Amino acid sequence: GQNIDQPTEMTATEGAIVQINCTYQTSGFNGLFWYQQHAGEAPTFLSYNVLDGLEEKGRFSSFLSRSKGYSYLLLKELQMKDSASYLCAVRSEDKLIFGTGTRLQVFP
Amino acid sequence: DAGVIQSPRHEVTEMGQEVTLRCKPISGHDYLFWYRQTMMRGLELLIYFNNNVPIDDSGMPEDRFSAKMPNASFSTLKIQPSEPRDSAVYFCASTPIWGYSYNEQFFGPGTRLTVL
Repeated sequence: GQNIDQPTEMTATEGAIVQINCTYQTSGFNGLFWYQQHAGEAPTFLSYNVLDGLEEKGRFSSFLSRSKGYSYLLLKELQMKDSASYLCAVRSEDKLIFGTGTRLQVFP
Repeated sequence: DAGVIQSPRHEVTEMGQEVTLRCKPISGHDYLFWYRQTMMRGLELLIYFNNNVPIDDSGMPEDRFSAKMPNASFSTLKIQPSEPRDSAVYFCASTPIWGYSYNEQFFGPGTRLTVL
């Protein structure tokens, strides 16, 4: 079967660092995506990992361990505008399988 | 570019009625995806097309759902008859290539469907 797990909700303070974890069990693997989705809006692409290791893009970084079926998204120097849902998605057999998302609330 | 365009943005209908959702992908994108998003199940792939041809419709819930792509710039998702459990946000996404390499999908703004 296909299963992707993320925490449902997280909270953090402006300026802090937060790590959102994602574990997956899928029948195939061709890469892992992170998307950001603000309330009432469409998901927008954040990052992509296909090899083990860390990919850094500004304040956002994403890590992948294929042997452990594990990824995390790291957000640094949090801003109020980072309050959103973060969706982990695995590309498996030519489809994107999404987790239910982690809703992050950033407080001043 | 205008991005992926969906219409209507909101639809409220009564159980048993036919509902048609529309999508215009980004010009030049050969792949088009229809997703449904609910709180309980998250974002689920319903069907996707390559060059107007349906490739995988295994996510379509049942025979009440159908999707077409008559040309490269237009697709529809139809629900007939609609039921309250179909209430969700329906997203359309497109991408130029979907091979064994990185390619992000570009999502439209979604259609929020409420079936009473």
